[in-house]
Amino acid sequence: ETGVTQTPRHLVMGMTNKKSLKCEQHLGHNAMYWYKQSAKKPLELMFVYSLEERVENNSVPSRFSPECPNSSHLFLHLHTLQPEDSALYLCASSQARGIENYGYTFGSGTRLTVV
Amino acid sequence: AQTVTQSQPEMSVQEAETVTLSCTYDTSESDYYLFWYKQPPSRQMILVIRQEAYKQQNATENRFSVNFQKAAKSFSLKISDSQLGDAAMYFCAYIEGTYKYIFGTGTRLKVLA
Repeated sequence: ETGVTQTPRHLVMGMTNKKSLKCEQHLGHNAMYWYKQSAKKPLELMFVYSLEERVENNSVPSRFSPECPNSSHLFLHLHTLQPEDSALYLCASSQARGIENYGYTFGSGTRLTVV
Repeated sequence: AQTVTQSQPEMSVQEAETVTLSCTYDTSESDYYLFWYKQPPSRQMILVIRQEAYKQQNATENRFSVNFQKAAKSFSLKISDSQLGDAAMYFCAYIEGTYKYIFGTGTRLKVLA
């Protein structure tokens, strides 16, 4: 696994817990993303950070709170989640160059189970 | 709103044979990008192939090629000489703007030995 690293790989948390997901990229990319992947549904874009500024927030509930302290790190802070939030959370990065787009580099995801 | 449709939830192919995965999309844009991603059991999504809409030539990457029909808004992926390692979920994606990808629901490909 190279490029984009996500930790932890698996997470089980209770509805009253607070936890954080971490994503790290050393590709020199200037944009980072959080996606939610649920069974039989398209990937759902949650947040986009470009040059450490949030540029997209797709009506995500406030119990999900992103943080991008620098261009290499992205966090997703979780609190008071619901069972329907159980899913695979994928981090990705990309290098946006004007109108050119060369695709994402994804991490391996965090499998989150809310009990 | 832009949408991406993958009508085949699951496909099977015999090892060494050829398989085609279908994808259609809806957009009013003229310039855009289309992608196929592969997600094996390891969960990491891997970029398979990329197509620029303003290029008429179909993209190819080794055993992977696309049939891009812009007027029909169709973007199918052909895998030649299928290998066991090709077994995975395959996602078609369209990019809207600079950052926002629209993904299909995926096609699970099984490769039979």
